[in-house]
Amino acid sequence: IAGITQAPTSQILAAGRRMTLRCTQDMRHNAMYWYRQDLGLGLRLIHYSNTAGTTGKGEVPDGYSVSRANTDDFPLTLASAVPSQTSVYFCASSEQGAGDTQYFGPGTRLTVL
Amino acid sequence: KNQVEQSPQSLIILEGKNCTLQCNYTVSPFSNLRWYKQDTGRGPVSLTIMTFSENTKSNGRYTATLDADTKQSSLHITASQLSDSASYICVVSLYNNNDMRFGAGTRLTVKP
Repeated sequence: IAGITQAPTSQILAAGRRMTLRCTQDMRHNAMYWYRQDLGLGLRLIHYSNTAGTTGKGEVPDGYSVSRANTDDFPLTLASAVPSQTSVYFCASSEQGAGDTQYFGPGTRLTVL
Repeated sequence: KNQVEQSPQSLIILEGKNCTLQCNYTVSPFSNLRWYKQDTGRGPVSLTIMTFSENTKSNGRYTATLDADTKQSSLHITASQLSDSASYICVVSLYNNNDMRFGAGTRLTVKP
């Protein structure tokens, strides 16, 4: 059982480029989330999806978009990357809403130059 | 302003010793509180979860306590091991079930 996977593991990106971070889970969880983690700060929610076909904005959604075409996949897109988006990005899933235990992926380290 | 404050920011202890990590929160309405362990370069892994009606929860050598009146939680680690070296993150869920606040974490280093 893979659980939840993310790709790529790391990426260096020029400012202004478009980038999609991939996230896939095989646990048939309804809810999925994207977080960013910056040094000295707690994890901050970017976007979430309670079920396939629905998405919602988290605490820091600007500059990011998501889609949830099916249960398993929840890609995060940076339309035009900026240096302030340099961070470690974690995808997570839970059976239902955020009140349930979340299972996190291994993270994607993104550097925007 | 982060509504979940953890202390200390970092802690170094010797193997075999006990330690206690603190979490104070101001978020409401409160649904539940979790402690996660995050190893370097990995995603967080859930250790314990407590609702407002629970005041203690154990998971092996990890014991979490919760005082919903004072909005404080602690994570006690007994007989620490080298593998306990990690960041420990306190997470408070709000009652609408989609909103959570994460603490910045406590970085624990266990030395031999």
